[in-house]
Amino acid sequence: AQSVAQPEDQVNVAEGNPLTVKCTYSVSGNPYLFWYVQYPNRGLQFLLKYITGDNLVKGSYGFEAEFNKSQTSFHLKKPSALVSDSALYFCAVIRATSGTYKYIFGTGTRLKVLA
Amino acid sequence: DVKVTQSSRYLVKRTGEKVFLECVQDMDHENMFWYRQDPGLGLRLIYFSYDVKMKEKGDIPEGYSVSREKKERFSLILESASTNQTSMYLCASSSRGEQYFGPGTRLTVT
Repeated sequence: AQSVAQPEDQVNVAEGNPLTVKCTYSVSGNPYLFWYVQYPNRGLQFLLKYITGDNLVKGSYGFEAEFNKSQTSFHLKKPSALVSDSALYFCAVIRATSGTYKYIFGTGTRLKVLA
Repeated sequence: DVKVTQSSRYLVKRTGEKVFLECVQDMDHENMFWYRQDPGLGLRLIYFSYDVKMKEKGDIPEGYSVSREKKERFSLILESASTNQTSMYLCASSSRGEQYFGPGTRLTVT
């Protein structure tokens, strides 16, 4: 079965330090992987995606993610965290089904950046 | 910019009421989705639609139905609301690849 795991419920990091939010996946075939962010009282916003190509994917707001096939991981990273990055982050994978597709989301990781 | 709008931000309903949640997108996307979001459970797919009048069950369809009469509009219906349907409901649309989400409807069933 295809699945996504976010092993940390919360990540705390000091402002200016690098941050990593972890995601591992289990899919058959080539994975299509995504990161979304949810700011308080708002819907989810797309950050970045990996379909194919370079393992390092760059996205919005200075975020990037590294696809690692051998470790089946797609960790979200940022070199220098901002307080405004504090939000809920979701990793997702596409699952093909009956000629269309569905998303599977992780349970989310709350990032708290401390001033 | 893609815009996905939901009819209400907050809704309070009584047990047993029929509840309609509306979602409209303005980008001519074929695919539309309804999720519910609960703490610690992430987003769970209720129903999705890949074309007008087409629908498919997601992972937790029980107690819900949907309607898609026009391409831009996807409605979620709670036939008889129950307290365990108190949640945040998110609508999304996509063409291929990334999804675009509405702001969500926080539904409380008392």
